[in-house]
Amino acid sequence: GENVEQHPSTLSVQEGDSAVIKCTYSDSASNYFPWYKQELGKGPQLIIDIRSNVGEKKDQRIAVTLNKTAKHFSLHITETQPEDSAVYFCAARASGAGSYQLTFGKGTKLSVIP
Amino acid sequence: DAGVTQSPTHLIKTRGQQVTLRCSPKSGHDTVSWYQQALGQGPQFIFQYYEEEERQRGNFPDRFSGHQFPNYSSELNVNALLLGDSALYLCASSLRVYNSPLHFGNGTRLTVT
Repeated sequence: GENVEQHPSTLSVQEGDSAVIKCTYSDSASNYFPWYKQELGKGPQLIIDIRSNVGEKKDQRIAVTLNKTAKHFSLHITETQPEDSAVYFCAARASGAGSYQLTFGKGTKLSVIP
Repeated sequence: DAGVTQSPTHLIKTRGQQVTLRCSPKSGHDTVSWYQQALGQGPQFIFQYYEEEERQRGNFPDRFSGHQFPNYSSELNVNALLLGDSALYLCASSLRVYNSPLHFGNGTRLTVT
């Protein structure tokens, strides 16, 4: 089955700096890659996603890049703010009939220092 | 527009007991997935329900079962609880279209003593 590795597990940045979180996946047939933000006491919230026919996607301060050859994808947050502090999860979904599950990484705890 | 709602928010059970968790999907969604999130880990897929049937199942024992009702709401049942079942149980809803984004509820925190 699919395996998703996420790095780093913790990340501290100064307010205004950029943050980058990286994930690798094992199943070359995976074709959908969402990123979730989870705040304390809440469920994961979808912040951005990318499909395998696209190399990059941007939404304001957040961008995701995908390298299908290397089987890795990254989340970039620019101009970080204290409210960006949370745990971020990457995930991947394999293609093919009957494949509906998301496989998640173990998460990255991002701390933005004012 | 109501998002995904789950009940109860917290639950404490004793080893060997049975538990039922409930989920109402986001308005307009017809597919419900359940995930287990252990402390400090990413969510793990339990199963997905569509048209009142289990469409796919993750690597969880038969003690975990579910149901989807005609109004698309869903229940997760866990029998013969083990200490290791203590976790945050997340419900996510989506459209039946492949790769429809998942929208999660805030979960039910289950503690087994």
